[in-house]
Amino acid sequence: GQQVMQIPQYQHVQEGEDFTTYCNSSTTLSNIQWYKQRPGGHPVFLIQLVKSGEVKKQKRLTFQFGEAKKNSSLHITATQTTDVGTYFCATNFGNEKLTFGTGTRLTIIP
Amino acid sequence: SAVISQKPSRDICQRGTSLTIQCQVDSQVTMMFWYRQQPGQSLTLIATANQGSEATYESGFVIDKFPISRPNLTFSTLTVSNMSPEDSSIYLCSVESGGGSYEQYFGPGTRLTVT
Repeated sequence: GQQVMQIPQYQHVQEGEDFTTYCNSSTTLSNIQWYKQRPGGHPVFLIQLVKSGEVKKQKRLTFQFGEAKKNSSLHITATQTTDVGTYFCATNFGNEKLTFGTGTRLTIIP
Repeated sequence: SAVISQKPSRDICQRGTSLTIQCQVDSQVTMMFWYRQQPGQSLTLIATANQGSEATYESGFVIDKFPISRPNLTFSTLTVSNMSPEDSSIYLCSVESGGGSYEQYFGPGTRLTVT
């Protein structure tokens, strides 16, 4: 089936450092969504991107959709302990079902 | 955004038994989704449940193992049947936000341990 890969699988950063996770697909995507799952919690929707080259910001988080609509990135500036969790990208490949990426688990070293 | 509750929040079950998980939404929704998330893994869609029709199962999941009910527009159940330790996982229900957006809202999940 169609898959969405994320790298890295794990990332440990010192508090205050930046963090980036990348999402890649072999096929052109109609949209890309990002979710955050805190440890022990459930996924929470962060944002959706639909346009080629689109960039959206939420405070310290910057989301980007590639020009070819095959990849996306999430960048966090100056990480804080509240950023801990697993970040998933997801897409619906043109139907109502979401396919989730493999996820990047972020841990923060205080 | 929709508010979703799930019951039970967690359970420990013996192999060979069945567990029914309930999902309640505070508003009427057309589609509800059931996912499985194994420890440290991503989410895998089990099935899509529409009110008034049979659930649509993804590859690798069958109705005999994971029967789903959708009696109305705010409620659904997922049963994990004849459980084995391999069924130990978190089971999550979700709904779409609607209005043409595909973003989903998730319930808090049910953590199942099969011994």
